Amino acid sequence: NAGVTQTPKFRILKIGQSMTLQCTQDMNHNYMYWYRQDPGMGLKLIYYSVGAGITDKGEVPNGYNVSRSTTEDFPLRLELAAPSQTSVYFCASSYSTAPGDYIYFGEGSWLTVV
Amino acid sequence: EDQVTQSPEALRLQEGESSSLNCSYTVSGLRGLFWYRQDPGKGPEFLFTLYSAGEEKEKERLKATLTKKESFLHITAPKPEDSATYLCAVQEGTSYGKLTFGQGTILTVHP
Repeated sequence: NAGVTQTPKFRILKIGQSMTLQCTQDMNHNYMYWYRQDPGMGLKLIYYSVGAGITDKGEVPNGYNVSRSTTEDFPLRLELAAPSQTSVYFCASSYSTAPGDYIYFGEGSWLTVV
Repeated sequence: EDQVTQSPEALRLQEGESSSLNCSYTVSGLRGLFWYRQDPGKGPEFLFTLYSAGEEKEKERLKATLTKKESFLHITAPKPEDSATYLCAVQEGTSYGKLTFGQGTILTVHP
């Protein structure tokens, strides 16, 4: 199993451009998440999904959109990129929210907006 | 609002020098407290889940404990390969698996 795979690993965007961060998991997990991590800060939840076709906002959703058309994929769309979106983005997944079922993280995507 | 505060922000140890990392939390109805390890340029890697006060879990040189207000990650006789950022996170009872993270403790173990 590859686990949680994110692409691209690194990307530089100009202000106002748009892009999509791809995330796929091969563990048949129902729950998927997007977090962002800024230097010296904890991870903040952007969006999450409890299954195909169902998504909801997390703590910091502004400037982002998601979709979940399949169980495996959970892309994160950045519209009109701003310098404040410079961050490291982590996709994650879990089978359920039951006690003992922990969340697996991808390797991260480093995004710089200039 | 769930809050998680970790201390210290950074910790430097000599190889073999045992110490503890602290995670203080405020949550309405704790479903689980998680410890993750994060190496530079990598995603967080799961270490432990604790569910109730008094619970303890061990893995190699690491031992995690939980009270009603905080958790400790004890590191016994650390080695340089234990150097990493250690993240604490809490899951609130109705949060659909969402985690609230602390800012992390950067641990450096010198040989």
